[in-house]
Amino acid sequence: AQTIHQWPVAEIKAVGSPLSLGCTIKGKSSPNLYWYWQATGGTLQQLFYSITVGQVESVVQLNLSASRPKDDQFILSTEKLLLSHSGFYLCAWSLDLVSSYEQYFGPGTRLTVL
Amino acid sequence: AQKVTQTQTSISVVEKTTVTMDCVYETRDSSYFLFWYKQTASGEIVFLIRQDSYKKENATVGHYSLNFQKPKSSIGLIITATQIEDSAVYFCAMRALNYNQGKLIFGQGTKLSIKP
Repeated sequence: AQTIHQWPVAEIKAVGSPLSLGCTIKGKSSPNLYWYWQATGGTLQQLFYSITVGQVESVVQLNLSASRPKDDQFILSTEKLLLSHSGFYLCAWSLDLVSSYEQYFGPGTRLTVL
Repeated sequence: AQKVTQTQTSISVVEKTTVTMDCVYETRDSSYFLFWYKQTASGEIVFLIRQDSYKKENATVGHYSLNFQKPKSSIGLIITATQIEDSAVYFCAMRALNYNQGKLIFGQGTKLSIKP
């Protein structure tokens, strides 16, 4: 069975500070990986997707970047946090991009920027 | 452009009854997929059910079923015999077959409260 882990569970950071969020999936080789952002009480918005190691595509520009250093790892980062970065960050995986397979979400990381 | 709209902000029903949540979508794609997800109070997002646009039969999984009305671009979620633990926010989502991003477009969500 596949398991998806995100770290940290929660973060409180200052405006202008750097950020790194991580996601690891176990039990599935070469998954497609995604980063989503959700404002408090809002909907989910896809930020990035990756179909293979080293390749990441941006969907929405929010002054964030993402990398995929390993097949099972997806990293979301920024060098300078903004107040607008606060929210809930979710990592998701799916079998592939072409088929109709649904995406499965990790437990998420709650980020508060002060 | 693709768009998913859930107009019901919140719904409250008594336990063991049936509830329907509405969702309408916009797309120019001939083939697409529709999903319903549930977000619990802890933030966990759980996949519930999927409808493929080329299938006429409504999908059913457990006590979840869909009312797919393609001419109306509508995909309603029906939950029968509701339970307290069904209380959550429900999101409708869509993706096109031809997109190579696997991009899911989500609706605004409907908060469902189940009362004893």
